[in-house]
Amino acid sequence: DAGVTQSPTHLIKTRGQQVTLRCSPKSGHDTVSWYQQALGQGPQFIFQYYEEEERQRGNFPDRFSGHQFPNYSSELNVNALLLGDSALYLCASSFMKGAESYGYTFGSGTRLTVV
Amino acid sequence: DAKTTQPPSMDCAEGRAANLPCNHSTISGNEYVYWYRQIHSQGPQYIIHGLKNNETNEMASLIITEDRKSSTLILPHATLRDTAVYYCIVRVGYQAGTALIFGKGTTLSVSS
Repeated sequence: DAGVTQSPTHLIKTRGQQVTLRCSPKSGHDTVSWYQQALGQGPQFIFQYYEEEERQRGNFPDRFSGHQFPNYSSELNVNALLLGDSALYLCASSFMKGAESYGYTFGSGTRLTVV
Repeated sequence: DAKTTQPPSMDCAEGRAANLPCNHSTISGNEYVYWYRQIHSQGPQYIIHGLKNNETNEMASLIITEDRKSSTLILPHATLRDTAVYYCIVRVGYQAGTALIFGKGTTLSVSS
């Protein structure tokens, strides 16, 4: 049973460019959350997608956007990249029961470096 | 904003119990406490979670105080492979869902 899969594993972009990161959730999960983890810090919640809609958003600017597809996979898009966007981006899948998510499972992340 | 406070680092001898404390004094009544660990910047790995009762699984035990303002993760027999950053997390509820809100974590170093 495959867990959470993220691609690519590493990425180098130039300041001002745009980037798309991808996530395939664990089998049986229908919800995807994205996190940003700067070096030496804990993961910071970006947003959560369920039923192809953004359900909740953390304290991140509109440059960060996402999408969820009918097969529950998800993309994270970041526009106008800044040096400070360099981080490990983590995807976590879960299943929704009522208005609560359970079974949070994390992928190995995408390491984004902005130069 | 993080709802948990943890010591930045702890040491433990191999084979001994590791007791990792966490304060979450502003936790709400329906918010769960989760523990994850992260090794070498891999994805966080689930350990255990609870609401108000003590919990135990094959990896660890979770002791939550009666007032729910603090908890302790116990690794009963620490090994070198338990060296990692341990995160105490509150699952926060919103109108349309929930989210895991991480703190800064405790770096546990297990030595022989």
